[in-house]
Amino acid sequence: GAGVSQSPSNKVTEKGKDVELRCDPISGHTALYWYRQSLGQGLEFLIYFQGNSAPDKSGLPSDRFSAERTGGSVSTLTIQRTQQEDSAVYLCASRRDILQETQYFGPGTRLLVL
Amino acid sequence: GNSVTQMEGPVTLSEEAFLTINCTYTATGYPSLFWYVQYPGEGLQLLLKATKADDKGSNKGFEATYRKETTSFHLEKGSVQVSDSAVYFCALSDRDSSYKLIFGSGTRLLVRP
Repeated sequence: GAGVSQSPSNKVTEKGKDVELRCDPISGHTALYWYRQSLGQGLEFLIYFQGNSAPDKSGLPSDRFSAERTGGSVSTLTIQRTQQEDSAVYLCASRRDILQETQYFGPGTRLLVL
Repeated sequence: GNSVTQMEGPVTLSEEAFLTINCTYTATGYPSLFWYVQYPGEGLQLLLKATKADDKGSNKGFEATYRKETTSFHLEKGSVQVSDSAVYFCALSDRDSSYKLIFGSGTRLLVRP
């Protein structure tokens, strides 16, 4: 597709379960970002990928959060042992390359932890 | 560290009124600045951007000028429409740290007919 896509669009899980969120960036975009949007914290950076490497993981809130990117394309954000405070909208964005700073966002995954 | 401060919302206007949403930033160096818009039930869309001082970004009747001397990037529109009702986010690109976006808290705009 032409834009960033994310799946699932909505996810309801029970506290303590693991979840995986997927992001398909715009084709050819080398940089990929994950952000979290929650009522109390606004929009927060989580992790940045350049190609398959993650040189900046500084926004991951705990070691329950991890992410990977394969083939320089699809990325998966995994949250282990989910907690209620993990409930938020998880946004993925991609950027073409180092010369282009604009990030293009996907529609997000709304996660609800019961 | 780098940060963005936006005016608190909600902002409620009548159709055809003039809009200003204030945004100021703190940054080392000279970041690129952005306005993103989030319509109800949708994701973030880039509205406009400016990459250096005195640049003016514009789109869909919205404008913002990168003011280095006042570290500001205020969003303006001369005549708002009901369809402009949304949440507006000011952001900077942190060139010192992976070009990640640092966002303001967002300003909700409600335009009444």
